Amino acid sequence: SQTIHQWPATLVQPVGSPLSLECTVEGTSNPNLYWYRQAAGRGLQLLFYSVGIGQISSEVPQNLSASRPQDRQFILSSKKLLLSDSGFYLCAWSYQGRAEAFFGQGTRLTVV
Amino acid sequence: GDSVTQMEGPVTLSEEAFLTINCTYTATGYPSLFWYVQYPGEGLQLLLKATKADDKGSNKGFEATYRKETTSFHLEKGSVQVSDSAVYFCARYSGNTPLVFGKGTRLSVIA
Repeated sequence: SQTIHQWPATLVQPVGSPLSLECTVEGTSNPNLYWYRQAAGRGLQLLFYSVGIGQISSEVPQNLSASRPQDRQFILSSKKLLLSDSGFYLCAWSYQGRAEAFFGQGTRLTVV
Repeated sequence: GDSVTQMEGPVTLSEEAFLTINCTYTATGYPSLFWYVQYPGEGLQLLLKATKADDKGSNKGFEATYRKETTSFHLEKGSVQVSDSAVYFCARYSGNTPLVFGKGTRLSVIA
């Protein structure tokens, strides 16, 4: 069966520090991968998605970036965090060409 | 562009009350429609889905019917329980693009 792992579960980082959140999928190959952010009162915002290794589409310009170094690994990064980067970050995957997405447990990021 | 609009929350109901959470979508093409649920501190889980007009998705006592004439996919449950307290997201999918989500509706059920 397929599983998705996302870590860490919680993170407190100072303003200006770097960020690296990692997500891996097991039990499938060549998935579509997604990073979403959920901020208070703003719903679920798509940040990045990827249909293959090295292929990243950015939905919202900001100081975050994403990379897909391996087929089932998706990394969300920042060189310098802002207070406004605080939120709940969710990784998800789907089969190519299919609608249903499967979500990880999320990372609660607090920038202080 | 494609969008999904949900009713604003929070919604607070007593146990065994009837639930409706409204959802409408932009009528571009023939999207598939979904309801996801997020329990406190967790990721999203698929609750139900419908892929064409007049389809009814159902799961755990929840239902939603794909209404093309009103571009709606309202979520209903006849008798809510405290364990249904969560955030509910409506979403649409068209072609090979990511799901588009509504802003979510927080439901609190009190005993």
